[in-house]
Amino acid sequence: DAGITQSPRHKVTETGTPVTLRCHQTENHRYMYWYRQDPGHGLRLIHYSYGVKDTDKGEVSDGYSVSRSKTEDFLLTLESATSSQTSVYFCAIRVGSADTEAFFGQGTRLTVV
Amino acid sequence: RKEVEQDPGPFNVPEGATVAFNCTYSNSASQSFFWYRQDCRKEPKLLMSVYSSGNEDGRFTAQLNRASQYISLLIRDSKLSDSATYLCVWNTDKLIFGTGTRLQVFP
Repeated sequence: DAGITQSPRHKVTETGTPVTLRCHQTENHRYMYWYRQDPGHGLRLIHYSYGVKDTDKGEVSDGYSVSRSKTEDFLLTLESATSSQTSVYFCAIRVGSADTEAFFGQGTRLTVV
Repeated sequence: RKEVEQDPGPFNVPEGATVAFNCTYSNSASQSFFWYRQDCRKEPKLLMSVYSSGNEDGRFTAQLNRASQYISLLIRDSKLSDSATYLCVWNTDKLIFGTGTRLQVFP
C-alpha cells in the first residue's frame, strides 16, 4: 500500500459547474500525477507535479487546472465541467526518484450531465 | 504519431499458450520503460520494469530492442488470471502510457 487515496470515488455533476478532485498521499513523495482514462485512449496525462507549487502540463491539460500547496495533496479542478470531461480520473505518485515506478489511486469516476 | 503505441487487441489465447505483445516508441533517446497490468475497472499496477539487457520474472519476460524501437512482453504458460490489459509505459518524468493491449485467456 503506497498510501494514496482519491476523493471522491464517484461524482455526478452538471455541465458548467466547477469540480475539484483530491489526491492525497501519506508520505512525502515528490512526484504526483493526474491522468484520465477513456475507452480507446488509454491513460492520458493531464498535469503532473514535481514538488510543492511545481506543476507542468500533460497531453490533455485544456480545461483543467491543478494545485499543490502542500506535499501530500494534489488537487485537480475542472473550472467549468463539460460532458467531454466525463471519464475515470487516476492519480499516481512516484515512490522515490523520477525513474521509479508509480503507484495509482483507485480512481474517480466522474460523470458530467 | 503517439509517443508510445500498442496493438489494442484483443488477443484471445487458450490456457497454456505463449503470447507476446509489442510496444513501439518514437523517441530514440528513450531508455527506460515499464509494463503495467490493469484489470477491468481497477487501477494500473506495475508488472515489471524493462531493462536493456532483458528482464525475466517467472512466466513473464520483457525486452527492449533499441535498434527497432520497441519493447516486448512475453507471457508463457498463460493462466486465466492473466486476462487483463497490459500497458506499456515510457519512463520519463511525465510517464507516458500506451493505449494498452487487451489479453483474454480462455479455458
